[in-house]
Amino acid sequence: DVKVTQSSRYLVKRTGEKVFLECVQDMDHENMFWYRQDPGLGLRLIYFSYDVKMKEKGDIPEGYSVSREKKERFSLILESASTNQTSMYLCASSPRFMGANTEAFFGQGTRLTVV
Amino acid sequence: AQKITQTQPGMFVQEKEAVTLDCTYDTSDPSYGLFWYKQPSSGEMIFLIYQGSYDQQNATEGRYSLNFQKARKSANLVISASQLGDSAMYFCAMREGSHNTDKLIFGTGTRLQVFP
Repeated sequence: DVKVTQSSRYLVKRTGEKVFLECVQDMDHENMFWYRQDPGLGLRLIYFSYDVKMKEKGDIPEGYSVSREKKERFSLILESASTNQTSMYLCASSPRFMGANTEAFFGQGTRLTVV
Repeated sequence: AQKITQTQPGMFVQEKEAVTLDCTYDTSDPSYGLFWYKQPSSGEMIFLIYQGSYDQQNATEGRYSLNFQKARKSANLVISASQLGDSAMYFCAMREGSHNTDKLIFGTGTRLQVFP
């Protein structure tokens, strides 16, 4: 059974803290993605990675960084958490090749609250 | 620039009726893929259907079909014979096929409510 696992389902952090969100996939996928989901705004891409140590900015990278030291793991880092980063964060992975049966698989999400 | 637009924030449909959820996209890449996902209240993202830009026929998966109109850049999801369990958020997504542009972007979603 394919799986994308996010380290926490719920997190509460204080303003100014450094926050790490971890994501692990067991499908040997090249691509990994981080999104945030807010009501009315859909899923917005923060960063993605198409290979180890490779990363590309998405549409809303400000205030975030990422790390991909191993193929199966993609970490999202909030350098100094702020209240406007309170959101649901979703990790996904997909094969590099695009075509039928190359859909992205998602983790269960991390609901982050910054107080 | 790559873009997905879903103009229907919410839709209602009666059980057993068909419903169409709209999606338009914008890309200059001739190679791209279009995806639809369902997100029930539990929050999981469930893949429904895929359409490639070079596919000659509209994709179908059970009660789901994709009305792909390439010239109009639209990829509407059609759900036939709606069921109460179809009540959920539905997201359209697109991925371009060019090298090093593996972005997968999503629209803002449509909340579908099926009533008895």
